[in-house]
Amino acid sequence: KAGVTQTPRYLIKTRGQQVTLSCSPISGHRSVSWYQQTPGQGLQFLFEYFSETQRNKGNFPGRFSGRQFSNSRSEMNVSTLELGDSALYLCASSFEGLNYGYTFGSGTRLTVV
Amino acid sequence: SQQGEEDPQALSIQEGENATMNCSYKTSINNLQWYRQNSGRGLVHLILIRSNEREKHSGRLRVTLDTSKKSSSLLITASRAADTASYFCATSLKTSYDKVIFGPGTSLSVIP
Repeated sequence: KAGVTQTPRYLIKTRGQQVTLSCSPISGHRSVSWYQQTPGQGLQFLFEYFSETQRNKGNFPGRFSGRQFSNSRSEMNVSTLELGDSALYLCASSFEGLNYGYTFGSGTRLTVV
Repeated sequence: SQQGEEDPQALSIQEGENATMNCSYKTSINNLQWYRQNSGRGLVHLILIRSNEREKHSGRLRVTLDTSKKSSSLLITASRAADTASYFCATSLKTSYDKVIFGPGTSLSVIP
């Protein structure tokens, strides 16, 4: 069965621009979570969606937003990009909450210049 | 300190040796998970242990959980060069069931 698909794999943006990242979870998985990974801060939780509703949110500014569609696909958006937003953005899906563990995508590497 | 912290930060061993990584956490958990990440790619789920379990095995992996000490350990037996990766523990918090917090990771190098 297909894994978690994230697009695009790599992205270069300029400060002040906005960006949208996409994540297609494993078929049947209704929970999608997003993480930001940087060398300095490690893996930081952004938000989690379940059946189109945001159930949990990390400590990120309002420039970071997300949504989930009825087919469980999810997008995250970052507006007014800053240099510090350069990171690997990882999407993870799970069947129903977290007693089943996550399946991660390969990530989107965002570079802000 | 963070909710989950792995120890040591880095570990270098010879192929065939065992590798042990530890994870300590601060608040009560629903479960604890271990993941592996190869060189900036996505994480791979290795094993999940629930708060009422003490030990789980999966192939060459053995995970223990001591909730009284708020700690877990991951043992990789008979390590191989392909085990070279970063290993993360992740805790699912009782106060926030659907938020999973990752530790900073242990970087494991297995020398052929």
